Amino acid sequence: QVQLQESGPGLVKPSETLSLTCTVSGGSISSYYWSWIRQPAGKGLEWIGRIYNSGSTNYNPSLKSRVTMSLDRSKNQFSLKLTSVTAADTAVYYCARVVAAAVVSWFDPWGQGTLVTVSS
Amino acid sequence: SSELTQDPAVSVALGQTVRITCQGDSLRSYYASWYQQKPGQAPVLVIYGKNNRPSGIPDRFSGSSSGTTASLTITEAQAEDEADYYCNSRDSSGNHWAFGGGTKLTVL
Repeated sequence: QVQLQESGPGLVKPSETLSLTCTVSGGSISSYYWSWIRQPAGKGLEWIGRIYNSGSTNYNPSLKSRVTMSLDRSKNQFSLKLTSVTAADTAVYYCARVVAAAVVSWFDPWGQGTLVTVSS
Repeated sequence: SSELTQDPAVSVALGQTVRITCQGDSLRSYYASWYQQKPGQAPVLVIYGKNNRPSGIPDRFSGSSSGTTASLTITEAQAEDEADYYCNSRDSSGNHWAFGGGTKLTVL
């Protein structure tokens, strides 16, 4: 059974770069898409972007200028970098596997989420 | 367009049936997936595709779609179904995803 676990600093200073890693266990990072999703306290889910095994990426247009995703096949991990953060980037960040085929897609499983607070 | 619209809140009497809807142009081209989120927990997939349930999801959860509207139906709602529900789908390019704003379901 595939499991995902987010890791990274829980506190980031304004204007600095948020960096998170998602470790995939119980299965290979190959042959799937992998995504980051975030959720500010009391608000809804926001899709940040996805990366494929090939390294190809797609990002939410609203975040595209600040987001970079990468993956490390040797460690079965994928990562998120978000630059120039502000308080508006404070949220619980989730990683998830994306299954996508033709007109069907879904996010499963999800990591437990990690809270990142942007504050000086 | 990747915008998906959900009613912010819906309520249902215990044991009754409730439908949660999600509207968006991209739903003409792509199926929605649905997620249940309880306080302090990560979202859980409950419906994907035409009407598919992951292992472990009760059969009282079902999905349907017509035109630009996708629906999640909970038949004989239980107290444990009280949660936030989010729909998700791709945009018209097929390369980006978006979530609906979420629907808070209250079981009375």
